[in-house]
Amino acid sequence: TQLLEQSPQFLSIQEGENLTVYCNSSSVFSSLQWYRQEPGEGPVLLVTVVTGGEVKKLKRLTFQFGDARKDSSLHITAAQPGDTGLYLCAGVSGTASKLTFGTGTRLQVTL
Amino acid sequence: DAGVIQSPRHEVTEMGQEVTLRCKPISGHNSLFWYRQTMMRGLELLIYFNNNVPIDDSGMPEDRFSAKMPNASFSTLKIQPSEPRDSAVYFCASSLQTGLKLFFGSGTQLSVL
Repeated sequence: TQLLEQSPQFLSIQEGENLTVYCNSSSVFSSLQWYRQEPGEGPVLLVTVVTGGEVKKLKRLTFQFGDARKDSSLHITAAQPGDTGLYLCAGVSGTASKLTFGTGTRLQVTL
Repeated sequence: DAGVIQSPRHEVTEMGQEVTLRCKPISGHNSLFWYRQTMMRGLELLIYFNNNVPIDDSGMPEDRFSAKMPNASFSTLKIQPSEPRDSAVYFCASSLQTGLKLFFGSGTQLSVL
């Protein structure tokens, strides 16, 4: 079983602060996705990274895929209350062609 | 466009009862996934279908769980008999191909008393 460990598990910050969420595994993935899930809803895809070392930006969110394609990070600049939610990374293995989800990081941004 | 539709949104049942969860994937998607989410174990893949055929059911907890996809627009996940430890949020998701972007439904909150 491929495990994806996310850290931190919980994060409570104030509006305007910066934060980084990490997603680590001992396995290599062909691609990695990040999802955000709000209460009472299913996860929604934010981004997919495919190439080792790849960096993608989505407004105030910056996603990076590790050079060895075993880890990834999500950096949020100037967090806002609307960023509150559960952030999930998910790895795609080339052989299985299915997503394995990480343990999740629950973010709360307060005014 | 309609997204993935799951029913019911909430289900409360007693231990030993049969529970059937339903899912309608996005039209044109040929991969369908059933996930279970709990605080303790996170989001776990139970089973997935490709072109209505079950490909990997290794995540199904035990024989009490079964899933079917009789056609491209409908799938069910059945638990018989249900147990309190089955209480969780069950999500259905679909995608154009496996390994690509998943579109999730809003989930079914199952409580087994």
